[in-house]
Amino acid sequence: AQSVTQLDSQVPVFEEAPVELRCNYSSSVSVYLFWYVQYPNQGLQLLLKYLSGSTLVKGINGFEAEFNKSQTSFHLRKPSVHISDTAEYFCAVSGPYNFNKFYFGSGTKLNVKP
Amino acid sequence: GAVVSQHPSRVICKSGTSVKIECRSLDFQATTMFWYRQFPKQSLMLMATSNEGSKATYEQGVEKDKFLINHASLTLSTLTVTSAHPEDSSFYICSAPAPQGSNYGYTFGSGTRLTVV
Repeated sequence: AQSVTQLDSQVPVFEEAPVELRCNYSSSVSVYLFWYVQYPNQGLQLLLKYLSGSTLVKGINGFEAEFNKSQTSFHLRKPSVHISDTAEYFCAVSGPYNFNKFYFGSGTKLNVKP
Repeated sequence: GAVVSQHPSRVICKSGTSVKIECRSLDFQATTMFWYRQFPKQSLMLMATSNEGSKATYEQGVEKDKFLINHASLTLSTLTVTSAHPEDSSFYICSAPAPQGSNYGYTFGSGTRLTVV
């Protein structure tokens, strides 16, 4: 089975600073990669996804992620965060044998301070 | 966009009682829905896949008699936690494949926080 590792359970950062949330996965073959965001008391919202093609993926709200096959990583970045980015972020992988089945990381709580 | 409505958002029940959680696809048809459970500080884990008009498929280690899933229509899937116990306290969330033509991905409900006392 796939495993998805988000090493940082919490990331505190000041407003307008850059941030990187790390995600590593275990599969060495083709998978689909996702980042979801969950605001308090809300469902998961898709930020961005990598299915194929360019390894740099741009998502909503100014986030981007880079797929690195050799390092099996899919780190999420934003050059300048806002208070409104405070939320929990989940990395997820689907595949390689069943793309309907998702494996999630344990989540990273991003806390943006003024 | 595709929306999945999940209710209730929070429920507290007594040990031994049953709790039903509903997920509705509001503006699209979902022939398949996925049910996840998240324990504190852990990942979301897939429990089962519900299919409209057929039996649900359960992941290894998930008791099908305890977690009853019904997918009675193309827009409604329910998860019933039967004879709930404190160890069933968790965050339950459903998801459905986004309709074709939309952004590929899965739409998630807002989740249900179940506390069994």
